[in-house]
Amino acid sequence: QSALTQPASVSGSPGQSITVPCTGTASDVGDYNFVSWYQQHPDKGPKLIIYDVSKRPSGVSYRFSGSKSGNTASLTISGLQADDEADYYCSSYRSSSAYVVFGGGTKLTVL
Amino acid sequence: EVQLVESGGGLIQPGGSLRLSCAASGFNVRSNYMSWVRQAPGKGLEWVSVIYSGGGTYYADSVKVRFTISRDNSKNTLYLQMNSLRADDTAVYYCARGVGFGAFYFDYWGQGSLVTVSS
Repeated sequence: QSALTQPASVSGSPGQSITVPCTGTASDVGDYNFVSWYQQHPDKGPKLIIYDVSKRPSGVSYRFSGSKSGNTASLTISGLQADDEADYYCSSYRSSSAYVVFGGGTKLTVL
Repeated sequence: EVQLVESGGGLIQPGGSLRLSCAASGFNVRSNYMSWVRQAPGKGLEWVSVIYSGGGTYYADSVKVRFTISRDNSKNTLYLQMNSLRADDTAVYYCARGVGFGAFYFDYWGQGSLVTVSS
C-alpha cells in the first residue's frame, strides 16, 4: 500500500483535459507545499513535471498544471496529446518519515 | 549534459549482497543531495536513501541497517551497498539528483538497474 493515494487509471480523448488526484494526510500533502509530480513512460526513468505544488520546471509544457486543496493535490493535463500517455506519480515530503513519499501511480490512457 | 548511469544489478539469492553504482556526469555528486529510489515490478516508486552534500545519510525504514549509501568524489559516483537482501527488495533501482528546498524533488534520474532477489 502506497503512502499517497492515486487512482489506478484515468483516460481521455485527444484535446480533452484530465485531472489526477493525489490524497495524503495532514502529515504530508495537507501541511506542506513540497508536492511534486512525475511522468514515466514505459521502461524509462521518471521525469519531473511539477514541483512546489504548481511550478513547472523549464521545458515542461504549460499544458501540465498542479494544485492543492486540503490533503489532496491534483495534476491537470489540458489539450491531451498521444505522447501524454504514461504513468504519473505524485510525491510529497512527509514529516513522520522526514523525507519523501510517493503515490502508487496513475496510468493515463489517451483514447 | 547531465547524465546518470546505474550499473551492478542482477540476480542474487536471498540473504546475499550486491553493490549498485551510479556514474554521474555534467555535475558534481559531492555538491548535491543524491538519492536512490526503487520501483518493484508493476508497482509505484519508493524512496530508499539519500546522501547529503555534507556527507550525512538517511534511509527509509524498510532498508535501514541493511543498505548503505556512499559516494566517491574522485570518481563522481554514487553507490548503494545492499546486504541481507530479501525477495521484497526486488525492484528497478534508480539514482536521482535532488533539487529544491530540502532536495525533495528529483530533476535527473538514471535509466535504472534491475535487482532480482530469488533462489
